[in-house]
Amino acid sequence: ELKVEQNPLFLSMQEGKNYTIYCNYSTTSDRLYWYRQDPGKSLESLFVLLSNGAVKQEGRLMASLDTKARLSTLHITAAVHDLSATYFCAVDMDNAGNMLTFGGGTRLMVKP
Amino acid sequence: KAGVTQTPRYLIKTRGQQVTLSCSPISGHRSVSWYQQTPGQGLQFLFEYFSETQRNKGNFPGRFSGRQFSNSRSEMNVSTLELGDSALYLCASRTGSRVNEQFFGPGTRLTVL
Repeated sequence: ELKVEQNPLFLSMQEGKNYTIYCNYSTTSDRLYWYRQDPGKSLESLFVLLSNGAVKQEGRLMASLDTKARLSTLHITAAVHDLSATYFCAVDMDNAGNMLTFGGGTRLMVKP
Repeated sequence: KAGVTQTPRYLIKTRGQQVTLSCSPISGHRSVSWYQQTPGQGLQFLFEYFSETQRNKGNFPGRFSGRQFSNSRSEMNVSTLELGDSALYLCASRTGSRVNEQFFGPGTRLTVL
């Protein structure tokens, strides 16, 4: 059974600081996705990582994938309050994008 | 381009009843997946449909079922509702190509009393 673990589960940080969220998974997969969820809202796609060594950046967020280590990271640079949300990583169970196994989520609070 | 739409957005039912949720994918998307989100279990895959066929199913009891129509719209049905079925049910669509980003709808919040 595929397991996806995120850490930390909760992160409180000051504006302007940097931090990294980690996503470990238990089986081989070349595909990993990062989503953002605001309270009471749906999931917003942030990054799609489709191969080993993939790195994608959007604004203050950068995601990377190491399929050999079964690890993805989401790095936050100079956090701002608007980044406060819950972040999920999801691993593609069948390498075809049809079935995602999600991590437990990291709730990020950025304080002014 | 319109996004994924789900109806209804909120639903209150009592134990033992059944419920049907609807999802309209993004135009041109042929794959529709359903997920359940609860505080205790997180986000869990329910099933996926492509061209009216169920291709994948998660580890849920037979009370959970679904179907897809020729226009790619999908419905999921939960029979004999239990308190533990209270959740946010999310539908996601994708084109079916290899670059397979899933786009999620706003969800249906189901409360079982």
